Amino acid sequence: EAEVAQSPRYKITEKSQAVAFWCDPISGHATLYWYRQILGQGPELLVQFQDESVVDDSQLPKDRFSAERLKGVDSTLKIQPAELGDSAMYLCASSQRRRETQYFGPGTRLLVL
Amino acid sequence: AQSVTQLGSHVSVSEGALVLLRCNYSSSVPPYLFWYVQYPNQGLQLLLKYTTGATLVKGINGFEAEFKKSETSFHLTKPSAHMSDAAEYFCAVSEVGGGADGLTFGKGTHLIIQP
Repeated sequence: EAEVAQSPRYKITEKSQAVAFWCDPISGHATLYWYRQILGQGPELLVQFQDESVVDDSQLPKDRFSAERLKGVDSTLKIQPAELGDSAMYLCASSQRRRETQYFGPGTRLLVL
Repeated sequence: AQSVTQLGSHVSVSEGALVLLRCNYSSSVPPYLFWYVQYPNQGLQLLLKYTTGATLVKGINGFEAEFKKSETSFHLTKPSAHMSDAAEYFCAVSEVGGGADGLTFGKGTHLIIQP
């Protein structure tokens, strides 16, 4: 069964350092989402891509966060500089097209010290 | 703006008992509705979803949910709880129209199964 792949699974970094997360969606899925899940809460959407274009990044803290999906396949989410409050699980999801079921990857757990 | 409220951050039931997890949404237009389950250190798995049509939706692992427009609710039920049902459950909504369809999640309900 095809799955969404994410790496790394765990990341520990120090405050003010740069960190990057990678996501490989299910093959053929045109829509890709990045969510942030703070411990004890539900996920919150950061950014949505349709192919290589951003559909919604209204909740992305653009002063420190950036996301790209250059070839419309895999995607990278970057934080620079990391802050203590960025400690969370970062989840990637993909769907075949908009309004279709979103399939989630296992997530990257980030700890900022 | 949409919002989702899940009543009870923790719900405890005995094995074999009825499971009822509550979800209410706030939206100007009835949205699409979802229930996801999350096991420790894993991503989210879709249990079921409502888009249109029949308001009683059946999902995986014996779960079902009923969309009640008049109550703006989408409660999740299972007739008989199993130990393997212990997990975090999230209710979510997405807008019907527009280009963006990111999910808005509730805060989650931790389901505890007592032996």
